[in-house]
Amino acid sequence: GAGVSQSPSNKVTEKGKDVELRCDPISGHTALYWYRQSLGQGLEFLIYFQGNSAPDKSGLPSDRFSAERTGGSVSTLTIQRTQQEDSAVYLCASSVAAAYEQYFGPGTRLTVT
Amino acid sequence: RKEVEQDPGPFNVPEGATVAFNCTYSNSASQSFFWYRQDCRKEPKLLMSVYSSGNEDGRFTAQLNRASQYISLLIRDSKLSDSATYLCVVGRPGGGNKLTFGTGTQLKVEL
Repeated sequence: GAGVSQSPSNKVTEKGKDVELRCDPISGHTALYWYRQSLGQGLEFLIYFQGNSAPDKSGLPSDRFSAERTGGSVSTLTIQRTQQEDSAVYLCASSVAAAYEQYFGPGTRLTVT
Repeated sequence: RKEVEQDPGPFNVPEGATVAFNCTYSNSASQSFFWYRQDCRKEPKLLMSVYSSGNEDGRFTAQLNRASQYISLLIRDSKLSDSATYLCVVGRPGGGNKLTFGTGTQLKVEL
């Protein structure tokens, strides 16, 4: 079946601009996560959605970052007033509720110039 | 101290060798453990879960030592295609399905 999809695959933006990254989780997965990975670094947890519960935003690095999940499916991560240090690969993952295995999308490579 | 620590490597081994990776975690209440594999410029993919009793999947064996808070991955008869970065992953206690990823151990299998 279809896996997690993300768009765009690559995004180049100028410093100060806003960007939106999209994630389509695996159908039927109620949990959705956003991570980012800088070059040569590990994965950094950003935010987690589970069903209709309030999202866990504990990993968001600043108030320039926000995310929403509409209808319990598609999620959008928004970065406002992008900075060069925001350059990274943004990965989305989903999992079946009450299970821990997470399945990742291919990521969006964000470059802020 | 990092929540999950791994030797970054690289481990350079000849084809057919057996190689083992270890990983330590800091939170004794951690409840779930995994190994993920990440190829260069690709997303992480689940390799295997790690169970208390240890588990095997073909050439791969994973073990958990709760008392010492470490997890291991053994790869037997390594193949060129095993070359990748192996991520040790620990589930945080308290629910939420939040996973903490180690920074990975790089494996290079050579002819």
